[in-house]
Amino acid sequence: GAGVSQSPRYKVAKRGQDVALRCDPISGHVSLFWYQQALGQGPEFLTYFQNEAQLDKSGLPSDRFFAERPEGSVSTLKIQRTQQEDSAVYLCASSSKGGPSEQYFGPGTRLTVT
Amino acid sequence: DAKTTQPNSMESNEEEPVHLPCNHSTISGTDYIHWYRQLPSQGPEYVIHGLTSNVNNRMASLAIAEDRKSSTLILHRATLRDAAVYYCILMDSNSGYALNFGKGTSLLVTP
Repeated sequence: GAGVSQSPRYKVAKRGQDVALRCDPISGHVSLFWYQQALGQGPEFLTYFQNEAQLDKSGLPSDRFFAERPEGSVSTLKIQRTQQEDSAVYLCASSSKGGPSEQYFGPGTRLTVT
Repeated sequence: DAKTTQPNSMESNEEEPVHLPCNHSTISGTDYIHWYRQLPSQGPEYVIHGLTSNVNNRMASLAIAEDRKSSTLILHRATLRDAAVYYCILMDSNSGYALNFGKGTSLLVTP
């Protein structure tokens, strides 16, 4: 069946540009998560949605990062005025319910800021 | 948050069993033990989880110590496709949802 998809798979941005990363979760999945993975590190939590409500954004590193999920399905992670330290793989995951159930990950978007 | 400790790396021969250890001495009674793995250039993949009893599924087995301060992920016959970083993660059943991945164990499988 269709899994979590993310687009674009690769994005190169010049420092100072804005970028938007898209996540299509598994159909019907209530929960959606964004993670950031720097090279050689494990993924780190950014933010969490239950349906359209953003319940936790404690992991967003600065106010340049913004995420939304207006209709409770597709989500977009936006980074304004990109900096070199934003270069990472951005992973999206979804799960069928809230709480500690298994999460299904997309392939990620590799962002390179030059 | 309760933390886990895993070896940085392990090596196994193909078609042999692999035992991946995880220490979580500060685990609380409501923490589930989850394992994920990440193959090169892919997103993480759920492997297995448990609370107190040992668990088996098509991918692996999870052996949980009686005091729950440690656990072991068992791959019964390693294949080259099992080469990945394996993450042991604690999730609180009351409120946990975000995965705290840590550094994991990098498993090398040699033919």
